[in-house]
Amino acid sequence: ETGVTQTPRHLVMGMTNKKSLKCEQHLGHNAMYWYKQSAKKPLELMFVYNFKEQTENNSVPSRFSPECPNSSHLFLHLHTLQPEDSALYLCASSQAQASGGLNTGELFFGEGSRLTVL
Amino acid sequence: AQSVAQPEDQVNVAEGNPLTVKCTYSVSGNPYLFWYVQYPNRGLQFLLKYITGDNLVKGSYGFEAEFNKSQTSFHLKKPSALVSDSALYFCAVRDKDNYGQNFVFGPGTRLSVLP
Repeated sequence: ETGVTQTPRHLVMGMTNKKSLKCEQHLGHNAMYWYKQSAKKPLELMFVYNFKEQTENNSVPSRFSPECPNSSHLFLHLHTLQPEDSALYLCASSQAQASGGLNTGELFFGEGSRLTVL
Repeated sequence: AQSVAQPEDQVNVAEGNPLTVKCTYSVSGNPYLFWYVQYPNRGLQFLLKYITGDNLVKGSYGFEAEFNKSQTSFHLKKPSALVSDSALYFCAVRDKDNYGQNFVFGPGTRLSVLP
């Protein structure tokens, strides 16, 4: 138990569906991340939120839409995905510093949501 | 920009033997380095980190890592491997841009411990 919970653990969707992935952290952290892990490819950073503000959007297609309503919850809304979007989507959190401070802490990951797009 | 290399895709070791998983990095300034492990169909679990201080860092499950500034390396080690150590291992460095908010991960090394 890492303190970061992702639901659902498995999701199968068609290319025309709309679905959402949910992440919740119980660690009191204020930075949250979405990563994509595909077979035989390095871990790809998708989005970063610090203090609920998006600070990184790593050239992610608009069919992926993040939402961070508060510092404990992070969503990834999925719409008209492609089969190549099938992957393990990992959520993580860390304790960000206030502005001007360098974050040296580790990331805490959830178990991931395995997405299959048909 | 920071980068991490893991030169071996796969490492095989017999149970009871020492293991080493290699990592080299490229950063500007002092590095903040991390090791993570991933078991099948699971998320990444933190093992250990180097921020400053002693070059030999001890972590979870009997793992340790040695920071070598002159060789820009941060190799993961364990004196006696277990079959249960078989997993995917990632080295990572904190990107100091954007106040260190972002991690840069290596491609991963698959460790197989043979009984």
